[in-house]
Amino acid sequence: ILNVEQSPQSLHVQEGDSTNFTCSFPSSNFYALHWYRWETAKSPEALFVMTLNGDEKKKGRISATLNTKEGYSYLYIKGSQPEDSATYLCAFVRGSTLGRLYFGRGTQLTVWP
Amino acid sequence: NAGVTQTPKFRVLKTGQSMTLLCAQDMNHEYMYWYRQDPGMGLRLIHYSVGEGTTAKGEVPDGYNVSRLKKQNFLLGLESAAPSQTSVYFCASRSDRDSLSGNTIYFGEGSWLTVV
Repeated sequence: ILNVEQSPQSLHVQEGDSTNFTCSFPSSNFYALHWYRWETAKSPEALFVMTLNGDEKKKGRISATLNTKEGYSYLYIKGSQPEDSATYLCAFVRGSTLGRLYFGRGTQLTVWP
Repeated sequence: NAGVTQTPKFRVLKTGQSMTLLCAQDMNHEYMYWYRQDPGMGLRLIHYSVGEGTTAKGEVPDGYNVSRLKKQNFLLGLESAAPSQTSVYFCASRSDRDSLSGNTIYFGEGSWLTVV
């Protein structure tokens, strides 16, 4: 069984706070790391796909970094807004099984006005 | 574009009944997946397919069967439904082609299944 761990499991912040969460994955046989945003009653939507060690991606107030050697990725949200409330999922793609994504359980973010 | 379409969206089954969930994608994707989502468990892979005519087991395949007779369709079957299969089911698809932006997974809107 391949473990993809996300922490924290849930997070509550005030509007305007910046926050970050972690995705840990096996450091061997790395191919790609995906981040998804998942709102209740909707389908998950892609935020980033990261493939190179040291990758940094940014979309608006959300950014992500990748360290494949130590097996972790950080997702940052700057100046959180209530509409950022969602579950953030990461998914690991292993080089030997390219068709399959291994999802973490997600970090549930709630941003209070 | 329709993207990934799942039917039905809602269904209530009695224990022991059978049913099939249909997933259709119009993006010519090679890879297709069926996940289930339960509280506190995230997304768990039931079965997946890396191409027409192929299927493979995921993390929680027991009690389910799948078929990929056509590239655009991936069917998930429950032969004898059990209350433990009450869940939200998500179908997804993905291209097998590498690109600078990577190949993200596209999800359907989910199918809510209750087994009583």
